Amino acid sequence: DGGITQSPKYLFRKEGQNVTLSCEQNLNHDAMYWYRQDPGQGLRLIYYSQIVNDFQKGDIAEGYSVSREKKESFPLTVTSAQKNPTAFYLCASIHQGSGHQPQHFGDGTRLSIL
Amino acid sequence: RKEVEQDPGPFNVPEGATVAFNCTYSNSASQSFFWYRQDCRKEPKLLMSVYSSGNEDGRFTAQLNRASQYISLLIRDSKLSDSATYLCVVNSLTGNQFYFGTGTSLTVIP
Repeated sequence: DGGITQSPKYLFRKEGQNVTLSCEQNLNHDAMYWYRQDPGQGLRLIYYSQIVNDFQKGDIAEGYSVSREKKESFPLTVTSAQKNPTAFYLCASIHQGSGHQPQHFGDGTRLSIL
Repeated sequence: RKEVEQDPGPFNVPEGATVAFNCTYSNSASQSFFWYRQDCRKEPKLLMSVYSSGNEDGRFTAQLNRASQYISLLIRDSKLSDSATYLCVVNSLTGNQFYFGTGTSLTVIP
């Protein structure tokens, strides 16, 4: 089945450690997004990418980095500069060029500090 | 001003009730609108897109009011399984970015 796969489902980070969240899609979607969701809050955009080898910062990019070396993959690294990383991280994708379509989401990664 | 604003609720309604949620957006040039459902500790799932003429899917009706810049979701004959958080989402003019409301919490009570 086509879809978006995020891994791991749960992740724990130690102080000063960088961690990488995986997002893979086999929907042949062009654009991919990373969001962060905190309790009682909406989704906030971290980074997005519309094509391979290109990405743009969202509203809360500080302390995060991404790469888009392949169309199907958009990993997110939470660096040690992100002082409050505990949150639910969601990856989404969309096929552009077909009108305004809704986003499809992976099932998320929960990141906590040890 | 936030791009999208929703009443967070919570809405607690009895089974069989009709409940409506509104969501306002700030950019009059916004083009696409969606309602998502999010269960506790899960990812958002598309409930329905919102079209200019309004649209219905079973017990769910979505409407768009461009003049007043709001979208609405009406749920008729509420079921226990409708308990969730409902997110409204607005797509930017260019289609590149999506703006999310904070969600409205619904609990349907037996």
